Amino acid sequence: DTAVSQTPKYLVTQMGNDKSIKCEQNLGHDTMYWYKQDSKKFLKIMFSYNNKELIINETVPNRFSPKSPDKAHLNLHINSLELGDSAVYFCASSLQRYNEQFFGPGTRLTVL
Amino acid sequence: QKEVEQNSGPLSVPEGAIASLNCTYSDRGSQSFFWYRQYSGKSPELIMSIYSNGDKEDGRFTAQLNKASQYVSLLIRDSQPSDSATYLCAVNYLGGTASKLTFGTGTRLQVTL
Repeated sequence: DTAVSQTPKYLVTQMGNDKSIKCEQNLGHDTMYWYKQDSKKFLKIMFSYNNKELIINETVPNRFSPKSPDKAHLNLHINSLELGDSAVYFCASSLQRYNEQFFGPGTRLTVL
Repeated sequence: QKEVEQNSGPLSVPEGAIASLNCTYSDRGSQSFFWYRQYSGKSPELIMSIYSNGDKEDGRFTAQLNKASQYVSLLIRDSQPSDSATYLCAVNYLGGTASKLTFGTGTRLQVTL
C-alpha cells in the first residue's frame, strides 16, 4: 500500500526518558513534516525536511531532534521527556511544489 | 502572527442537509488552501484543495475561495452520518524558501439522523 507509516502507534514512558518515533513514506514525495497535536486538537508544525535538508524548524525545544536519512524517512528523537510532551505526533509528506500533505496514522505519546 | 480561524462548533445538521463550514485567514499572501477531515482518534485526511478564487466541486464537496475577503468555505451536500468529524482548514504560507501549512483549530460537524 502506498502510504505514510509511523512506528510506534502508542508510546508510554516515564519522565526523563529518551524515545524515538520513525516515519516512512512510499509516495515518492520530496518533503516530510512532523506535527504535534495537543489535547485541544490544535495541529502545529514542528519540522520539515526537503530532500534530507531541514527547511522548517519552528520554536521547538532542542530536546527534539529530527533526522532524515533519506527523502523517504524522517525520524524524531526526543530527549529528557517531560509531561508536556504528551500529545499525538503526526508525520506527513508532500511534493514541495504542491504542498498537499498526506498524514501518517500518528503516534500517541504519553509521558507519566 | 499568521492565523487561521474557524468556529469550533459543534455544527449540527440533519441528514440530507447542506453543511457549511467557514474559515478566515489573516495573511493576504496565502497561496493555497486545504480542507482536511479528521475522525476522532484518526489522522487528518485531505479532502479538498483550492488555489484560485471561485468554487471547486468534488462529489458532494464544494470548496469556495474568496481571496479579497480572506475566507474559504466547504459545503457538504446531502450530509451523511459518516460525515460527522472535525474539519480542519489549512492555509499555505510561503516564508523564505519554505512553504508551510497553518491549520485552524477545526470545526466539529455532527450529522443527525
